[in-house]
Amino acid sequence: DQQVKQNSPSLSVQEGRISILNCDYTNSMFDYFLWYKKYPAEGPTFLISISSIKDKNEDGRFTVFLNKSAKHLSLHIVPSQPGDSAVYFCAASAGNAGNMLTFGGGTRLMVKP
Amino acid sequence: DGGITQSPKYLFRKEGQNVTLSCEQNLNHDAMYWYRQDPGQGLRLIYYSQIVNDFQKGDIAEGYSVSREKKESFPLTVTSAQKNPTAFYLCASNDWGQPQHFGDGTRLSIL
Repeated sequence: DQQVKQNSPSLSVQEGRISILNCDYTNSMFDYFLWYKKYPAEGPTFLISISSIKDKNEDGRFTVFLNKSAKHLSLHIVPSQPGDSAVYFCAASAGNAGNMLTFGGGTRLMVKP
Repeated sequence: DGGITQSPKYLFRKEGQNVTLSCEQNLNHDAMYWYRQDPGQGLRLIYYSQIVNDFQKGDIAEGYSVSREKKESFPLTVTSAQKNPTAFYLCASNDWGQPQHFGDGTRLSIL
């Protein structure tokens, strides 16, 4: 049973436009959420996180929104750049911040020049 | 330059063989992790260690073994009991409670 789901396996956007990547979770005990970015043949790199006490966290072009009632989070990238083309994973943990992560299946983002 | 080094990058195993994947970190992190990634899927936790000489099973530990004799090293052995070992293996580390840092992975294939 997948506790963290990324229902869109791929997303294509034009350079300069907004990219919105979505993630849904089922475990109500999750209280910390992270987004990782992964290029082919490399390990994931941490992008941004959010605690359940917040509903928004922003870092430069990246913003994560959390809707606890809907058990949904999203990552907004504005403006999108070709270098953002990668696979994005959302991850969640329950009671221990960055540890014991449960990952979604990933969304491949392609930003077209 | 601090980071996590995984070796080798590619590894081939014959049926019935055990193989060991190396993971070394110089970030002075207490916690280390091993994940498996299959095509089109997310990462699944195999084992983790919060401290030297201690480790815990993750979601898919069957057919794998680990050791943590030194803080900087967390090798993973894929045993012959693992019936479907072909995958991309990722090692990670963190200070407990902080985001995990990942190595660049080892791709294991069966000959």
